[in-house]
Amino acid sequence: DSGVTQTPKHLITATGQRVTLRCSPRSGDLSVYWYQQSLDQGLQFLIQYYNGEERAKGNILERFSAQQFPDLHSELNLSSLELGDSALYFCASNRQGAAGNTIYFGEGSWLTVV
Amino acid sequence: AQSVTQLDSQVPVFEEAPVELRCNYSSSVSVYLFWYVQYPNQGLQLLLKYLSGSTLVKGINGFEAEFNKSQTSFHLRKPSVHISDTAEYFCAVSDVEIKAAGNKLTFGGGTRVLVKP
Repeated sequence: DSGVTQTPKHLITATGQRVTLRCSPRSGDLSVYWYQQSLDQGLQFLIQYYNGEERAKGNILERFSAQQFPDLHSELNLSSLELGDSALYFCASNRQGAAGNTIYFGEGSWLTVV
Repeated sequence: AQSVTQLDSQVPVFEEAPVELRCNYSSSVSVYLFWYVQYPNQGLQLLLKYLSGSTLVKGINGFEAEFNKSQTSFHLRKPSVHISDTAEYFCAVSDVEIKAAGNKLTFGGGTRVLVKP
């Protein structure tokens, strides 16, 4: 158990819909990362938040957005869903400080768009 | 910009045989290197990481990796695999600049290891 909690574990929704994925980082971790894992794109970094502020942005679509709340949990919002958005979405966290700190991953949220 | 190439997408191997998973990276800055494992229907678990010092790094479950700066490689090895090592393995890099917020990882495409009895 990494200590990173993601909900829901599985989600099936229709095209055009909007979903929210939730992540609770490990206790004490200020940074939250979101990654998308799909068969054709592999593991892609989407976005990073640190203590409530956006810190780095990767290959995140404009239809996607995220935020980190004062209690440090984070949500990834996916809207106008397309079939190609079907993927495993990972949240990860680590503490501030030296580079090379281990990033801990949750078990992911499986999104299927039908 | 950084990139990671895992040269083998799939590696079948017999139980108790050795395995080597190849990883090469490209970066304009110094990097830290990581190997993660993903067992079926699970998240990513850190196997080992290279930050500095000895270029031979030992990790969990009997895995080790060797950092070769001149060849920009970080190959993962295990001398004798078990059925339970069947999983997908990901090589990753992050830059070494110390940032208060931490450093994101850039992953390779993964290597699926199938251990056969």
